[in-house]
Amino acid sequence: DAGVIQSPRHEVTEMGQEVTLRCKPISGHDYLFWYRQTMMRGLELLIYFNNNVPIDDSGMPEDRFSAKMPNASFSTLKIQPSEPRDSAVYFCASSLKQGRITYEQYFGPGTRLLVL
Amino acid sequence: TQLLEQSPQFLSIQEGENLTVYCNSSSVFSSLQWYRQEPGEGPVLLVTVVTGGEVKKLKRLTFQFGDARKDSSLHITAAQPGDTGLYLCAGRRYGGATNKLIFGTGTLLAVQP
Repeated sequence: DAGVIQSPRHEVTEMGQEVTLRCKPISGHDYLFWYRQTMMRGLELLIYFNNNVPIDDSGMPEDRFSAKMPNASFSTLKIQPSEPRDSAVYFCASSLKQGRITYEQYFGPGTRLLVL
Repeated sequence: TQLLEQSPQFLSIQEGENLTVYCNSSSVFSSLQWYRQEPGEGPVLLVTVVTGGEVKKLKRLTFQFGDARKDSSLHITAAQPGDTGLYLCAGRRYGGATNKLIFGTGTLLAVQP
């Protein structure tokens, strides 16, 4: 089975432009997570979904960020307008509920975003 | 405020040496995981510990969960260049959302041949 798929792998854009990052979770997984990783702040959870419903978006930086999950096999993270401080690696991860204790999160390869 | 602090931040050692990475918090976690991330890739789960005092071994890697479930350590014996990467601890807060992970600050390990 294919792992988590993210596209694009790299994105270079200019400040003010709209950026859309895409994610296809592992088939059958019912949780999807969006993370952002920078040297300064490490790996931060932005938002996560359960069965396509957003559960916790407290990590979303501001209104410029939005995320959707229209179906179980696709999610987007949109930044509009983008700013240089949004430059980071964005990861998508998915997991499957298997009891009440442990959930392995499977990460995609990430999208490296550079906003000039 | 970072809930999970890892130390050291950076570690460069020679092949064959032993090392220990620490993950500390003032909060109690219901479970704690360790991930390894290689350049250009996403983190990959190494182990999950759930019981205070639990010790798990994965070949040359030994993981321990503190008795109070506030801290954890990763010990690598006879490090090899293939162990190079970013090591991240991640925990689920006791009483928090069951599937929400809080990641540590990370330890970047470089093992020189």
